[in-house]
Amino acid sequence: LAKTTQPISMDSYEGQEVNITCSHNNIATNDYITWYQQFPSQGPRFIIQGYKTKVTNEVASLFIPADRKSSTLSLPRVSLSDTAVYYCLVGDMVSNFGNEKLTFGTGTRLTIIP
Amino acid sequence: DTEVTQTPKHLVMGMTNKKSLKCEQHMGHRAMYWYKQKAKKPPELMFVYSYEKLSINESVPSRFSPECPNSSLLNLHLHALQPEDSALYLCASSQVRGDTEAFFGQGTRLTVV
Repeated sequence: LAKTTQPISMDSYEGQEVNITCSHNNIATNDYITWYQQFPSQGPRFIIQGYKTKVTNEVASLFIPADRKSSTLSLPRVSLSDTAVYYCLVGDMVSNFGNEKLTFGTGTRLTIIP
Repeated sequence: DTEVTQTPKHLVMGMTNKKSLKCEQHMGHRAMYWYKQKAKKPPELMFVYSYEKLSINESVPSRFSPECPNSSLLNLHLHALQPEDSALYLCASSQVRGDTEAFFGQGTRLTVV
């Protein structure tokens, strides 16, 4: 199970683009990278998932370099409502055994400043 | 319907009480999870059910007893809890065990007095 490392906290101003990087040096061939968002006193919410290069949806983009040892979650033009904890998870989607426990790391506490 | 519904939202119980937390999903998911989350910490996995069978127990004390009566329901029975068990208890589901796109409920805020 690949371990992930993220910054503990980040601050950003409203309207800016925010990039949160996750390090996963021992990622395995079959592992996918998944990001969750959690607001206080709520359950985590799936944001985006990818295997390589770039994935984009209506909420965020996920950039994964060729060596896949890190990934960057990009939130465009953040607002106060993006203040939350963001978790990076790495797991095997093919065999269903890599992250069968759906284990969360420490996460990044993002604070958006008006 | 992409919701996982947990009841109750808040629960206060004494150390000698018996209570149950309930979780329900109607997405046809065959994996369901219980997590415990303390303030400013990540969710910690407690139990995983796969096709209604207990698949993983993360060495959780026996005062927590999970139950999966059918593919849509997951219960967590609580008995003789300690004040340090106070936390947010989260239920989640995914299509199958290991699917990293999981859906979480809002949680039950438990306070043990």
